[in-house]
Amino acid sequence: AAGVIQSPRHLIKEKRETATLKCYPIPRHDTVYWYQQGPGQDPQFLISFYEKMQSDKGSIPDRFSAQQFSDYHSELNMSSLELGDSALYFCASSLGDQPQHFGDGTRLSIL
Amino acid sequence: KQEVTQIPAALSVPEGENLVLNCSFTDSAIYNLQWFRQDPGKGLTSLLLIQSSQREQTSGRLNASLDKSSGRSTLYIAASQPGDSATYLCAVDGTDYKLSFGAGTTVTVRA
Repeated sequence: AAGVIQSPRHLIKEKRETATLKCYPIPRHDTVYWYQQGPGQDPQFLISFYEKMQSDKGSIPDRFSAQQFSDYHSELNMSSLELGDSALYFCASSLGDQPQHFGDGTRLSIL
Repeated sequence: KQEVTQIPAALSVPEGENLVLNCSFTDSAIYNLQWFRQDPGKGLTSLLLIQSSQREQTSGRLNASLDKSSGRSTLYIAASQPGDSATYLCAVDGTDYKLSFGAGTTVTVRA
């Protein structure tokens, strides 16, 4: 069965650079969620989209933005990267309020 | 704000012993509760999902119980194996449709 696809799997950036993380939800899923998991931390909710509209916002820095496109894939854009942004970024998708299915994550390392 | 707590933070047992992992949450208004497994640096693998109307779920050697009124869930892993070594995360899906995670219990099963 198709799962949530995240790309890239690994990304290395330097401070003050920008990064774009992509998420391709399970087909027919209409909701996408982004989570950030810092080293040794539990995942923290960042933002979610339902039918291409932002549905909820968590602890997402102003330097980050995200959107969901017409094909339901989502991108998390991160600017002015800081060392503290180094983390595993998870995307999850769901159909409405059904359980969320997670991707394998993108590991972002800031040098 | 939903607070999810997992006890203990770490657990080391000899092979064959049963594992008991605890999760507590502060807001009982939940849709469901999920248990995830995470291997070091890897993604989240969903183990069991318990709907708010259910008391328990079983899958193979895994059994999870839910007492919504007291805000508790327990994950039992029978006859542990070295391959069960991982971090186990509890996540609560509240009325805002975003998951709130506990900090996890890191399990080591000694051969």
